[in-house]
Amino acid sequence: NAGVTQTPKFQVLKTGQSMTLQCAQDMNHEYMSWYRQDPGMGLRLIHYSVGAGITDQGEVPNGYNVSRSTTEDFPLRLLSAAPSQTSVYFCASGTVFYGYTFGSGTRLTVV
Amino acid sequence: DAKTTQPNSMESNEEEPVHLPCNHSTISGTDYIHWYRQLPSQGPEYVIHGLTSNVNNRMASLAIAEDRKSSTLILHRATLRDAAVYYCILRDMNNAGNMLTFGGGTRLMVKP
Repeated sequence: NAGVTQTPKFQVLKTGQSMTLQCAQDMNHEYMSWYRQDPGMGLRLIHYSVGAGITDQGEVPNGYNVSRSTTEDFPLRLLSAAPSQTSVYFCASGTVFYGYTFGSGTRLTVV
Repeated sequence: DAKTTQPNSMESNEEEPVHLPCNHSTISGTDYIHWYRQLPSQGPEYVIHGLTSNVNNRMASLAIAEDRKSSTLILHRATLRDAAVYYCILRDMNNAGNMLTFGGGTRLMVKP
């Protein structure tokens, strides 16, 4: 049982480049979400999904897009990377009444 | 969303019990109290959650005040591996989005 798998684990981008952070879960969870965590700070919600085909914005959605075509996958797209998007990104999945499972994170540096 | 208040940091000795407090005076009737922890360089990890009654699992116990305005996460015997940031989060079961909102948490330091 893999849980929540995030790829890549590390990435360096140049300003203006685009990329997709992958997130996959094998627990048949309906809820999935993306967070970012800046150094020394708490996690902030970027986007979330309550089921396939349904997404919504969180606290800091600007510069990011998401889609949810399957229950298992919830990719996060950076449209035009900026240094302010340097952060650690966590994907999580869960159900209505129980705890969330988090991935191990993607460490992104934008230069 | 209802907010929580936690001390910024706490210290404990190894193999002693630790009581991590959380205040949530504006909690609503449909808010569950969730606790997560984040070990250094890792993603958050679910610890425990409850609504009104005290809860126990293999990791910890959760004691909830009768008026639900506060709660306490109890680690029965702290180990060095328990050094982490502990987050107390309210999760509204009436909210379809139902996502987690993280505050600053409590940084627990465990001394050998």
